Amino acid sequence: DQQVKQNSPSLSVQEGRISILNCDYTNSMFDYFLWYKKYPAEGPTFLISISSIKDKNEDGRFTVFLNKSAKHLSLHIVPSQPGDSAVYFCAATTTQGGKLIFGQGTELSVKP
Amino acid sequence: EPEVTQTPSHQVTQMGQEVILRCVPISNHLYFYWYRQILGQKVEFLVSFYNNEISEKSEIFDDQFSVERPDGSNFTLKIRSTKLEDSAMYFCASSVERGGRNEQFFGPGTRLTVL
Repeated sequence: DQQVKQNSPSLSVQEGRISILNCDYTNSMFDYFLWYKKYPAEGPTFLISISSIKDKNEDGRFTVFLNKSAKHLSLHIVPSQPGDSAVYFCAATTTQGGKLIFGQGTELSVKP
Repeated sequence: EPEVTQTPSHQVTQMGQEVILRCVPISNHLYFYWYRQILGQKVEFLVSFYNNEISEKSEIFDDQFSVERPDGSNFTLKIRSTKLEDSAMYFCASSVERGGRNEQFFGPGTRLTVL
């Protein structure tokens, strides 16, 4: 079941530059998307979300973009900081549902 | 800031034994979830719980699994007869509402090791 896919298992970025994490989905019923950050031995921490009625949502250094026609979303982190180094998961759900369907995760490494 | 807590952090058990994983969701939340992550794989949904009953469960959540909210604060996941393949991180989550702004908040997880 590959309804949510993160095709890049890892990403390395220099401190201060932009990090762009990508996510694709196949189920057109998804209408709410979330990004979580996860450190080893911890649970996922909610970062930012976006409803399908929007194409952009911004919170500080984090911006999520949604392209419904392409069934694609991305998370931009600007500027990237070493503390951002973690695994980032995108997840999707439906308004009438409740469960989150997760991607495989992308491990971000921000180098000083 | 309120948070979801889970105990124990690590549970080691023998195959065939019963285990109970415990969670205390955020106090004003109404929806409760269990997920698991097998090492190297994605986080998978197990079950959701609302109003003292299961609202949805995955194919993984077979008759060996059960959930309970025994006292209005704890939310437990029981595995009746553990198998080797049940070894995973188990995450509890809670949210205020089911749809709409479904921001689920996760606990730190319980690492279950079945020998």
